[in-house]
Amino acid sequence: RKEVEQDPGPFNVPEGATVAFNCTYSNSASQSFFWYRQDCRKEPKLLMSVYSSGNEDGRFTAQLNRASQYISLLIRDSKLSDSATYLCVVNSRGSARQLTFGSGTQLTVLP
Amino acid sequence: DAGITQSPRYKITETGRQVTLMCHQTWSHSYMFWYRQDLGHGLRLIYYSAAADITDKGEVPDGYVVSRSKTENFPLTLESATRSQTSVYFCASSDILQETQYFGPGTRLLVL
Repeated sequence: RKEVEQDPGPFNVPEGATVAFNCTYSNSASQSFFWYRQDCRKEPKLLMSVYSSGNEDGRFTAQLNRASQYISLLIRDSKLSDSATYLCVVNSRGSARQLTFGSGTQLTVLP
Repeated sequence: DAGITQSPRYKITETGRQVTLMCHQTWSHSYMFWYRQDLGHGLRLIYYSAAADITDKGEVPDGYVVSRSKTENFPLTLESATRSQTSVYFCASSDILQETQYFGPGTRLLVL
C-alpha cells in the first residue's frame, strides 16, 4: 500500500465548476500536510498547507481528518489556469524534512 | 534572484557512464533534497542533506552518490547509469525554520 494515495483522475471540469480532490495517508503519526501544484513539465510548487481546523486561501479550501487519515482540497469557481496536477504531500517519516508525495491528481479546466 | 537552479536541464547518456547532476541555491537554505519523478510513482526522495557535510539516504538511494561541501551546492552522481535511472530529477531546498520545499526546474535524464 502506498503511504499517500490519490485518485489520479483525470478530472475534466468546465470553467466555474467546483471540484474536490481526496487523499489518504497510511501513517497515523504523520504531522504535517500540504497540497502542491505541478504544471505540465514544470517543478512542483506549494499551493497551501493543511491545518487541523481546515483552512482557506481564496478559492481553495483544504480539510484534514486525522481520524480517517484523509485530506481534501476543494477548488471553487475553477479557472482555466487551475489546470495542473495536484500533489498531496505528507510528512510521514517522523522527520520534519522528509516529505512523502502522492502521485498526483490531474485537473483540466475546460472553457 | 536565481533561487534554485539545476544543470544540465536535459541529458542523454549511455548505460555504464557516470553522470553528475548539479543543483545550486542562492537562499542559503540548510536543507537540500534530490527527488526522482516517474510515471506512477510520483516524487521519490533519493538523498537529502541537513547542512554542509551532512547527508542521508532517502527512499531510493541505490546507484546514487551525493556530496555537500558547500551549503549552496548539492550535486547528485549516478556512478554507473542504468536504463532504470531514466527519469526527471528535481532538486529542492528548504529553510531550517519551515517545511516548505522549493524546487528547481528539473533535469530530464535519458539513459540509453
